Amino acid sequence: QSVLTQPPSVSGAPGQRVTISCSGNGSNIGTGYDVHWYQQVPGTAPKLLIYGNDNRPAGVPDRFSGSKSGTSASLAITGLQAEDEADYYCQSYDSTPSGLTYVFGSGTQVTVL
Amino acid sequence: QVQLQESGPGVVKPSQTLSLTCTVSGGSVGSDTYYWSWFRQPAGKGLEWIGRIFASGSTNYNPSLRSRVTISIDSSKDQFSLRLTSVTATDTALYFCARGLVGARQPEDLWGQGTLVTVSS
Repeated sequence: QSVLTQPPSVSGAPGQRVTISCSGNGSNIGTGYDVHWYQQVPGTAPKLLIYGNDNRPAGVPDRFSGSKSGTSASLAITGLQAEDEADYYCQSYDSTPSGLTYVFGSGTQVTVL
Repeated sequence: QVQLQESGPGVVKPSQTLSLTCTVSGGSVGSDTYYWSWFRQPAGKGLEWIGRIFASGSTNYNPSLRSRVTISIDSSKDQFSLRLTSVTATDTALYFCARGLVGARQPEDLWGQGTLVTVSS
């Protein structure tokens, strides 16, 4: 069971804007830990899309943007394109008695209608 | 261009030890600039972090797997490895190795293609 909560799926027509939420709590996102977002085509390696809440690695289109507030974060895709159809995962960190650990969201499947 | 490639048995028997190796080509696992991680993903499910190792040999593990996991590094071969003991069917997954930049906000940005491990008798 994933620590961070994401909607199972979102969909939109080409050109539309979709958002994906990522909900955590006071021991992870709410502590101030960064949130990162990955895009993954099933069966292949994840691709880093957003890091440090709202930063795009080189080569990632500016159609993708991230934000964070309190215990939640969001990924927005504007101008949705067919190639955006994939699974999207948020990732943050959690404080445990054993130390820092990575936590992931349950994943959101984006469908382009 | 740095590339990561996982290798190891595709099938492991229950109760035995899963062993995987990640070979880094075009780069050095001995560099203090990077750390090296393992992740896994059961079919149709989400990603799970297993742990990571630094060039110094220092490690961090997922608390839920800590008692069964060992990650090691071999700078002479530019490889790092994963050992997971006492496996069960729930350890069946696509296993990925990845590279992260020490001290950066950016997480793992370079991943291997993944290798499927099935736990079955």
